Amino acid sequence: AQTVTQSQPEMSVQEAETVTLSCTYDTSESDYYLFWYKQPPSRQMILVIRQEAYKQQNATENRFSVNFQKAAKSFSLKISDSQLGDAAMYFCAYRSAPRGSQGNLIFGKGTKLSVKP
Amino acid sequence: SQTIHQWPATLVQPVGSPLSLECTVEGTSNPNLYWYRQAAGRGLQLLFYSVGIGQISSEVPQNLSASRPQDRQFILSSKKLLLSDSGFYLCAWGQGAVSYEQYFGPGTRLTVT
Repeated sequence: AQTVTQSQPEMSVQEAETVTLSCTYDTSESDYYLFWYKQPPSRQMILVIRQEAYKQQNATENRFSVNFQKAAKSFSLKISDSQLGDAAMYFCAYRSAPRGSQGNLIFGKGTKLSVKP
Repeated sequence: SQTIHQWPATLVQPVGSPLSLECTVEGTSNPNLYWYRQAAGRGLQLLFYSVGIGQISSEVPQNLSASRPQDRQFILSSKKLLLSDSGFYLCAWGQGAVSYEQYFGPGTRLTVT
């Protein structure tokens, strides 16, 4: 079974600085997808970024980028120019490729990010 | 654009009472639908998913059940709530092989007293 591990329960960053959140996963599959979700105090889960395992290029969405290391099974999230609105719980998630799969997401336990003004 | 609704937003129920949480999706057809539970300080646990009307798969044995009476409606139910059923319940939809993300509703906070 696949597992997702986020080893940092809490992180803190100064406003305008850069922070990296770590995520590792365990799988025997070669085709899969990885995601980072943000859960602000409102608790609605918001998709931040996704990465297809077959793509070597790291995904980027504005101030958010990932460092995907497939051999190491590592998928970290970098937030540049941190803003107060980035304060939230961040969850890393894994999804098997759709063939023979219903697309269930497997989540890590989350990292709580605080942003200091 | 697609939107997903959940209600109620909050619910306080006594032990042994029934439960019905509803989730509806707009702006898409034949979505995959999911129910997750998030206990305090923990990640999300998948409870049920559905790939079509009347098709329900359960991931975790429990006293909860799910139904999908219409294409874009997903209901989470219980006949008798337990204290351990307290948590934050999130509904999500995805488009399966078309796109691989899941999009979440605003959630329902359930407190069983």
